[in-house]
Amino acid sequence: QSALTQPRSVSGSPGQSVTISCTGTSSDVGGYNYVSWYQQHPGKAPKLMIYDVSKRPSGVPDRFSGSKSGNTASLTISGLQAEDEADYYCCSYAGSYTFLWVFGGGTKLTVL
Amino acid sequence: QVQLQESGPGLVKPSETLSLTCAVSGYSISSGYYWGWIRQPPGKGLEWIGSIYHSGSTYYNPSLKSRVTISVDTSKNQFSLKLSSVTAADTAVYYCARHQAGEVDYWGQGTLVTVSS
Repeated sequence: QSALTQPRSVSGSPGQSVTISCTGTSSDVGGYNYVSWYQQHPGKAPKLMIYDVSKRPSGVPDRFSGSKSGNTASLTISGLQAEDEADYYCCSYAGSYTFLWVFGGGTKLTVL
Repeated sequence: QVQLQESGPGLVKPSETLSLTCAVSGYSISSGYYWGWIRQPPGKGLEWIGSIYHSGSTYYNPSLKSRVTISVDTSKNQFSLKLSSVTAADTAVYYCARHQAGEVDYWGQGTLVTVSS
């Protein structure tokens, strides 16, 4: 099972919007609505930002949104803030007959 | 509030077995959810290692399956990871986590395990 493909880095200025893509296959991203996104600050554990493609956990600002089209999922962050600077990882269920997860390689978001 | 805490040796010799335990508080493991292990080599991305369902069924990353065992001790409300025949490539921060089919809702703080002689 190959890792999902994410851009190594993205950047944006405060107040702008950025979108991070996560490309997989019909066996993972395209096959299930179990795509999640995690934010990770240096030295910290990841934090769930989006689950089931587009759902936001309680406490996550509505500036964060998720979507999916075909084999590519996307995380959009609008109204960028300095604290959004972090690494972001996507994750997809990938098990057709058993439980299996695959992560993306991660994207470094820089707020200029 | 659900809390998870990893524990175990921070240094393991090559070819030996890495053993970690995750103590869970605030929720009974036997009540539900998957309980899993995820690792992150220094400066790299996340990798799912495997999970155990509250019923006891186990699921492993195919790339690690031959070396991984995950078990649960409901009496102590904890679950464990064993990874055999380790090499330097297994050096990573190891996280334990509570999750459902699609997402992790609670993470441990992570523990760094270094494989070195």
